[in-house]
Amino acid sequence: DTAVSQTPKYLVTQMGNDKSIKCEQNLGHDTMYWYKQDSKKFLKIMFSYNNKELIINETVPNRFSPKSPDKAHLNLHINSLELGDSAVYFCASSRSIAGEAFFGQGTRLTVV
Amino acid sequence: GENVEQHPSTLSVQEGDSAVIKCTYSDSASNYFPWYKQELGKRPQLIIDIRSNVGEKKDQRIAVTLNKTAKHFSLHITETQPEDSAVYFCAASQNTGNQFYFGTGTSLTVIP
Repeated sequence: DTAVSQTPKYLVTQMGNDKSIKCEQNLGHDTMYWYKQDSKKFLKIMFSYNNKELIINETVPNRFSPKSPDKAHLNLHINSLELGDSAVYFCASSRSIAGEAFFGQGTRLTVV
Repeated sequence: GENVEQHPSTLSVQEGDSAVIKCTYSDSASNYFPWYKQELGKRPQLIIDIRSNVGEKKDQRIAVTLNKTAKHFSLHITETQPEDSAVYFCAASQNTGNQFYFGTGTSLTVIP
């Protein structure tokens, strides 16, 4: 069974569109994250949710809106996509903030 | 907020040699320091971690050391093998403050 799964794996879309990436974890973890990995491989935290409550929003444009319907899911909706949004987006989860984070397989978003 | 710096950004070693990657952190409240390995096109995966109440931890060919006073920690890989080639990330987090930040990554190449 996949511990952290995110869909889709690849996403190609035009500028200005709105898209969503879904993430689910079956590990019973309380904390979920979204990270953006750019072409230089830098892993930058975007959001952190603990028990469905937003904990961190690291200077992410408000075009990005996370939604956590329950502890096992953290979806990412992006409005008005821009070329600079092209990156790999990783969802992750951990039992607590100071615990091992398990990553999803990543979603490669390409905005054309 | 926490600032994690990682060096070097690239590292090439001959098979069988040792590799050392170093990280520093800024927030003295950080108490959990994991290391992740990311192979090309794959998700980051935990390889070893250390908590602030321990100075050193070893798992076969991999070891991590932590100097809380100097706020730095290092990853040591001995007897490197070609399959060790990947990007390695250090990270720092703490129980409170809900922060989990990665270093900028080290691309390790082991030359056969």
